[in-house]
Amino acid sequence: KAGVTQTPRYLIKTRGQQVTLSCSPISGHRSVSWYQQTPGQGLQFLFEYFSETQRNKGNFPGRFSGRQFSNSRSEMNVSTLELGDSALYLCASSFSSGTIYNEQFFGPGTRLTVL
Amino acid sequence: ILNVEQSPQSLHVQEGDSTNFTCSFPSSNFYALHWYRWETAKSPEALFVMTLNGDEKKKGRISATLNTKEGYSYLYIKGSQPEDSATYLCAQNAGNNRKLIWGLGTSLAVNP
Repeated sequence: KAGVTQTPRYLIKTRGQQVTLSCSPISGHRSVSWYQQTPGQGLQFLFEYFSETQRNKGNFPGRFSGRQFSNSRSEMNVSTLELGDSALYLCASSFSSGTIYNEQFFGPGTRLTVL
Repeated sequence: ILNVEQSPQSLHVQEGDSTNFTCSFPSSNFYALHWYRWETAKSPEALFVMTLNGDEKKKGRISATLNTKEGYSYLYIKGSQPEDSATYLCAQNAGNNRKLIWGLGTSLAVNP
């Protein structure tokens, strides 16, 4: 079974631009969560999508948004990029069987650098 | 606001040593505690999900315990090997949902 894939793996943008990151979950997984990882803050939860609906949201500004498609693939968008948005963005999928405690399977991440 | 803390921040041990690290979390409104291992240049990999006070889980040489009343979990590695070198992360469910609050991790280096 193929793992979680994320594209692109690396991205360089300048301040003020916007960016879209993509995540394809493991086949059969309907829950996709997004995280931001920075050295000082560790992993920070951005949002979770299930069946094309955002179910949970972290404490990030409205510049961070996402969506999920009917095939469970998810995209994350960051508008008006700031230097502080430079980070590793990870997505994770899990099999939703009614419990919230299923393990999450992580993708390799997208390394975003904002200049 | 949940705050998950891990100690120590980093650890260097010799091959064959046994080691343990701590994850501390708020004990009120507890739902679940997760342990992950994150090796350099790889993706975080789930080790354990623990939900009940007194839970003990084991996977090979790695085991974990959970005390929800006092708000801590221990991760033990018996006979550390160089391939155990990684960052070990714990996370707590923020509520009855999949939002996870993460600690900053313990970075383990096992010297051959």
